[in-house]
Amino acid sequence: GDSVTQMEGPVTLSEEAFLTINCTYTATGYPSLFWYVQYPGEGLQLLLKATKADDKGSNKGFEATYRKETTSFHLEKGSVQVSDSAVYFCALKSGGSYIPTFGRGTSLIVHP
Amino acid sequence: NAGVTQTPKFQVLKTGQSMTLQCAQDMNHNSMYWYRQDPGMGLRLIYYSASEGTTDKGEVPNGYNVSRLNKREFSLRLESAAPSQTSVYFCASRKTFEKTSGQETQYFGPGTRLLVL
Repeated sequence: GDSVTQMEGPVTLSEEAFLTINCTYTATGYPSLFWYVQYPGEGLQLLLKATKADDKGSNKGFEATYRKETTSFHLEKGSVQVSDSAVYFCALKSGGSYIPTFGRGTSLIVHP
Repeated sequence: NAGVTQTPKFQVLKTGQSMTLQCAQDMNHNSMYWYRQDPGMGLRLIYYSASEGTTDKGEVPNGYNVSRLNKREFSLRLESAAPSQTSVYFCASRKTFEKTSGQETQYFGPGTRLLVL
């Protein structure tokens, strides 16, 4: 079945540091890939997505590239802010399943 | 456009009490979902509804029941609450329930924080 593996957190960074959160997957066929963000006390919201190989999703300074050869969708940001402190979920939806599959989430803490 | 709304935001129950968590969406979505979120466990699917009039079990359905009242509303009921059901509950919706709908975003409500004593 489909699965998503994310690096365990928490990831703790200083403001303006470079961020990478790793995400790898196994899936049937060619899935669509997503990053969702959950700010403290809120529900999940879509951050970015990519629907085919080599696509790059981007939003709010975050980027992730769909790498079919390495089955990865790593999240990156060049300079994090305190306001980026949140939990980040990698997810996929493949043609082999009716329901999206989520990773366990990675907590990011950014210090001033 | 409110998106997905959930009530209540917070609830404290005693063991054995019952309650219903309400969820509604105004995006004319066909599929709706209930998840629970616990520390270190990520999101776990409790029940889902592919369309109005249908419901099915997810990964952790024991101790819960659901009702898809109409296309907009999907409620989650705890008949006899237990401390193990202390969690944050999220409702979500998605436009369709097709294997081919990979690019569709899932929309989440703000959550209900439940404490069972």
